[in-house]
Amino acid sequence: AQKVTQAQTEISVVEKEDVTLDCVYETRDTTYYLFWYKQPPSGELVFLIRRNSFDEQNEISGRYSWNFQKSTSSFNFTITASQVVDSAVYFCALNTGTASKLTFGTGTRLQVTL
Amino acid sequence: GAVVSQHPSWVICKSGTSVKIECRSLDFQATTMFWYRQFPKQSLMLMATSNEGSKATYEQGVEKDKFLINHASLTLSTLTVTSAHPEDSSFYICSARDPLGQGNQPQHFGDGTRLSIL
Repeated sequence: AQKVTQAQTEISVVEKEDVTLDCVYETRDTTYYLFWYKQPPSGELVFLIRRNSFDEQNEISGRYSWNFQKSTSSFNFTITASQVVDSAVYFCALNTGTASKLTFGTGTRLQVTL
Repeated sequence: GAVVSQHPSWVICKSGTSVKIECRSLDFQATTMFWYRQFPKQSLMLMATSNEGSKATYEQGVEKDKFLINHASLTLSTLTVTSAHPEDSSFYICSARDPLGQGNQPQHFGDGTRLSIL
């Protein structure tokens, strides 16, 4: 069975601070995909990144960066110089196999204040 | 890019009525669509996998007679909440599997339907 754990329920930071959202996953499959989604208050899911299990390269996209470590089964997400518009719930998700079923973590609510 | 349209965005109705939610893939054919439910401040929970031309596959604990899913075409899946009650109030999100995996996304999500049963 697959499982995704996001231990941080809520995080509150002041604008311009850096913040890291943790994600730990469990799967017995050797081939899998990890994702991060953003859900703003309006409710829609915004795709941020996909990483496959064979690619442990860290990735940077603007103020966003992701650290994938298979040794610790973690796929952490860092926002640099946070902004108020980053306030949202962030979900980490896992997909294995060809059925494309996604297993979501419980989400981390990020509040960025001025 | 691949777009999924979900309608309606909001529904408020009386207890006992049935509510239909539509999920359309606008620029690609989706043989597989998914329906999720999200209660306030909780995660997305997969309810069922909708397969075009065949019966939906429901997750454990989801009542198939309560949540009717129809996937009659390659671009449309519908979820009907039958005899809805206040405990069915939730945020329902659909997604469509993109067989080409455009943009590294295995699924493209609709914007969700907020259902409130009075």
